Amino acid sequence: SAVISQKPSRDICQRGTSLTIQCQVDSQVTMMFWYRQQPGQSLTLIATANQGSEATYESGFVIDKFPISRPNLTFSTLTVSNMSPEDSSIYLCSVLSGTTVGNEQFFGPGTRLTVL
Amino acid sequence: ELKVEQNPLFLSMQEGKNYTIYCNYSTTSDRLYWYRQDPGKSLESLFVLLSNGAVKQEGRLMASLDTKARLSTLHITAAVHDLSATYFCAVDLGFGNEKLTFGTGTRLTIIP
Repeated sequence: SAVISQKPSRDICQRGTSLTIQCQVDSQVTMMFWYRQQPGQSLTLIATANQGSEATYESGFVIDKFPISRPNLTFSTLTVSNMSPEDSSIYLCSVLSGTTVGNEQFFGPGTRLTVL
Repeated sequence: ELKVEQNPLFLSMQEGKNYTIYCNYSTTSDRLYWYRQDPGKSLESLFVLLSNGAVKQEGRLMASLDTKARLSTLHITAAVHDLSATYFCAVDLGFGNEKLTFGTGTRLTIIP
């Protein structure tokens, strides 16, 4: 399985500012995903980030609010722009990686964001 | 649009008892995943079910998939406190469309 790290692990930010979250994988992967988990809720996909192409955003998420970079096969960033308290969530990156049972998604440790 | 529902949302069980968590989904798929999340932690992969009739077991947990009924179950046998966590099922739509749609989650509490 892939080993994934995220930075920062948590942050407290003021409204109106932006935060960039980094996701690093220990092996080259084609597909990376960014999810949001609001307090007490399930996970919702924000976008799919493939290297060499623009990220594909899900309904309700836009590039101006959540710009994503994917400069190589082991790294991606998600920026949460012009933050408001409603953006307080855990943000998780995941990667699609092959295993003995087929492709699986493995998740990073998450970034816990609080917006004041 | 793919929708994934779990029930129950909350489950409080006594140690030693058996129970089942259900996961229904709305669109044809034969790829279903179960994850565990401890408070303040990320998701841990439990089971990958990739065909109709698939059954996987690990310790006190057993997962199965019925693609015709669009239903997966996670069965807990003789529950122990260490199993207290939130359990999520998730579905993807196959090769080339591997983004996951998650169920609502089941918060499981095992009480002595």
